[in-house]
Amino acid sequence: SAVISQKPSRDICQRGTSLTIQCQVDSQVTMMFWYRQQPGQSLTLIATANQGSEATYESGFVIDKFPISRPNLTFSTLTVSNMSPEDSSIYLCSVKIRVSRELFFGEGSRLTVL
Amino acid sequence: GEDVEQSLFLSVREGDSSVINCTYTDSSSTYLYWYKQEPGAGLQLLTYIFSNMDMKQDQRLTVLLNKKDKHLSLRIADTQTGDSAIYFCAEANDYKLSFGAGTTVTVRA
Repeated sequence: SAVISQKPSRDICQRGTSLTIQCQVDSQVTMMFWYRQQPGQSLTLIATANQGSEATYESGFVIDKFPISRPNLTFSTLTVSNMSPEDSSIYLCSVKIRVSRELFFGEGSRLTVL
Repeated sequence: GEDVEQSLFLSVREGDSSVINCTYTDSSSTYLYWYKQEPGAGLQLLTYIFSNMDMKQDQRLTVLLNKKDKHLSLRIADTQTGDSAIYFCAEANDYKLSFGAGTTVTVRA
């Protein structure tokens, strides 16, 4: 198992501002991912956070809008830039820990943009 | 996920078995996962199955996989009120998950 801490758990932001979400894991992590869950919908993969290099983004997501850092094995940040109400979602980080096929999720960061 | 389909709702009586069905399209998926999401909470990993397996059992949970038909099911035995939640199936490729829309399970007394 893994303990995944996400901060903030929720926030209300103004249009045009940016917010950075942090994900910290207590275990040896091999892979980290960021997902978005729009209201009442399923989860969509935003990107794979790569340690020490640029993240790998899925179709429809770009670095300018969702810059991601992963300075070490157990920590990553996702920034939602120049926010609009359409960015109101839950953002979740997911990890694969070493020697396991399990994929765990953090509790999510619930973002509301006014 | 447009590649993973689930029925949207399931109502079950307390004590009965629940069966949640899922179909997927990616034949190269290596693992398939089931998650539970309660209101306002994150995703809880329930179980996963390797794509070469037919069945996996873990306490009250049984996963059946028909790889030929790309059909996956999750059976919950002796369903309890605490099992009321949204259940997501997901297929994995390089551990990147594609999710179904989720099945809302309601347990009635």
